Parts: sequence; structure tokens; C-alpha cells
Amino acid sequence: AQTVTQSQPEMSVQEAETVTLSCTYDTSESDYYLFWYKQPPSRQMILVIRQEAYKQQNATENRFSVNFQKAAKSFSLKISDSQLGDAAMYFCAYRRTTEKLVFGKGTKLTVNP
Amino acid sequence: GAVVSQHPSWVICKSGTSVKIECRSLDFQATTMFWYRQFPKQSLMLMATSNEGSKATYEQGVEKDKFLINHASLTLSTLTVTSAHPEDSSFYICSATGPKFYEQYFGPGTRLTVT
Repeated sequence: AQTVTQSQPEMSVQEAETVTLSCTYDTSESDYYLFWYKQPPSRQMILVIRQEAYKQQNATENRFSVNFQKAAKSFSLKISDSQLGDAAMYFCAYRRTTEKLVFGKGTKLTVNP
Repeated sequence: GAVVSQHPSWVICKSGTSVKIECRSLDFQATTMFWYRQFPKQSLMLMATSNEGSKATYEQGVEKDKFLINHASLTLSTLTVTSAHPEDSSFYICSATGPKFYEQYFGPGTRLTVT
């Protein structure tokens, strides 16, 4: 079964600085999708970024970018110019075609002013 | 982006009663809906997957007779917690996918407290 591992239960960053959240996954498949979701204190799940495994280019959404290393099965999220509103739980997730999303345990990000 | 709503956002019920949570896709037809449960400071745990007009598929360990799921239309799914007990208190989140399976949208969640 596919598993997603987030090895950092908690991370902190100073406002305006850059932080990287780690995620590794285990799969024998070659075609799949990876996601980072943000869950702020409101608990609304928000999609931050999506990466298709067949694309070599790393996905980018404004201040959020990923480092996708397919061979290493690594999918880290970099947040640049961190803002107070970035404080949240971040979940890495894996999905293959029409199968269910598999979530990691999450990383709690604190942004210090 | 696509919007998924849930109602109610917070419900308190007495032990032994049943409570129904509604999940609606507001601006798209949801081919598949998912129900999750989340305990404090933990990740989302998938309870069941449902497709419109067919029976839900429950994850291992989830009591299908306690957590009744109905996906009556392409825009509405309901989760009924039957004979609720305090241990059923939790945060329940629904989610839905549209035509693009990799686009999964989440509702705002429902906090259930059983007294």
C-alpha cells in the first residue's frame, strides 16, 4: 500500500524567511499525483499545489514551490517570503488515478513575527 | 474554484440520538464524494467513498451501520451518525471530485459533539 511520510511534526519560520517542508512517499507506480494541502485554524482544507508525476518540471504557485525528486520519492514544499497567514497544518498527499487520497500525518508550521 | 458546503458546521446531540450531516457541491457535479474523520492534531482518516446512486464503500474498521452514507444526487451526500455516543465526537469533513479526478475539493467540516 502507498504510504506518505512527513518527518517534521512541527516547523517554525520567521516572517519573510523561507521554509521547506519535507515529504516522502512509497509507491511502485509510475503515474500518480502529489499534493500539498494547507489546513489553517479554521480547519478548511485548501489545495496549495499539485504535481503530476509524469512532469519533470517542478510545480510553482506564487510563493509556493515544490522539489519533486521522483527517483528518490521525495516531494518537498518550499514557502518563500513566509507570511503570518501561512501558519497552518500542511499535509502532503498522494493519489493514483481514481484511487483515494493518501495523506501524511502533517506538519504544523508556525510563523513568527 | 469549486465550492463544497457542509451543514451544519457544528452540532451537539445527546447520546443515543442520530444526527445527519449534509455535503453539497455548489457549482459542479460531484462524481465521487468522500467522508473523512479528523481527531485533534491528527491527519484526515477516510471513512467511506460514495458514488451517486450506488452504495458507499467503507474503509476497514468503519461501522457501516453506524455511519450511514447516502449519495442521492450528483450534488448531495449525507452522513448520518446513528445512535451517537461520546466517542463519535469528532470533526467530520466531506470532499468531492468533479470530472477531473485529481481535483478534490473539501467542505469546511462539521464539528460533532455528543453529550
